[in-house]
Amino acid sequence: QKEVEQNSGPLSVPEGAIASLNCTYSDRGSQSFFWYRQYSGKSPELIMSIYSNGDKEDGRFTAQLNKASQYVSLLIRDSQPSDSATYLCAGTPTGTASKLTFGTGTRLQVTL
Amino acid sequence: DTEVTQTPKHLVMGMTNKKSLKCEQHMGHRAMYWYKQKAKKPPELMFVYSYEKLSINESVPSRFSPECPNSSLLNLHLHALQPEDSALYLCASSQTDNYEQYFGPGTRLTVT
Repeated sequence: QKEVEQNSGPLSVPEGAIASLNCTYSDRGSQSFFWYRQYSGKSPELIMSIYSNGDKEDGRFTAQLNKASQYVSLLIRDSQPSDSATYLCAGTPTGTASKLTFGTGTRLQVTL
Repeated sequence: DTEVTQTPKHLVMGMTNKKSLKCEQHMGHRAMYWYKQKAKKPPELMFVYSYEKLSINESVPSRFSPECPNSSLLNLHLHALQPEDSALYLCASSQTDNYEQYFGPGTRLTVT
């Protein structure tokens, strides 16, 4: 079982809709979670971090963490074509805060 | 400012060459990282430096040799690489080794 799992997609949403990206993790001791956006041929860009249960909002982005269900999600409101990218979910394994365990990423396509 | 710079952007080297990748950050971060990313895969951690000391080596072959000359600089020395080492090499930094990691633009390495 992979430590961090994501649906590879592609997830296709129309412009202006809400995109919902999901991630599950197996390490119950993981404390910190991050969402990175990666455009094709570019490096990952940090867009959200979340450390405690609940929601965290930043502009059009909302990260949600449910430690009981071992589930992390990212909502993108008012999706734009420029949001089309691969979204990587990452967590820090128990006892190794300096490591990031990445999921394989979900490719998001925002259509006109 | 969350800028991490990397040079060169592209590098083509033969299997007998010696080359170095460079990474620099001026954010006062005390943890720096090297990752390797193959196409359509997530980044894989190679090395972690914390307060200029190597804290994690993810069993990377000795043909990759990291160096941290000071708190702002990170080098990756390459020698006798194999074609399968061709990848995007990413540097990242974080405030300390349990905070958000910010990636540089990467060096795209091709080994011929």
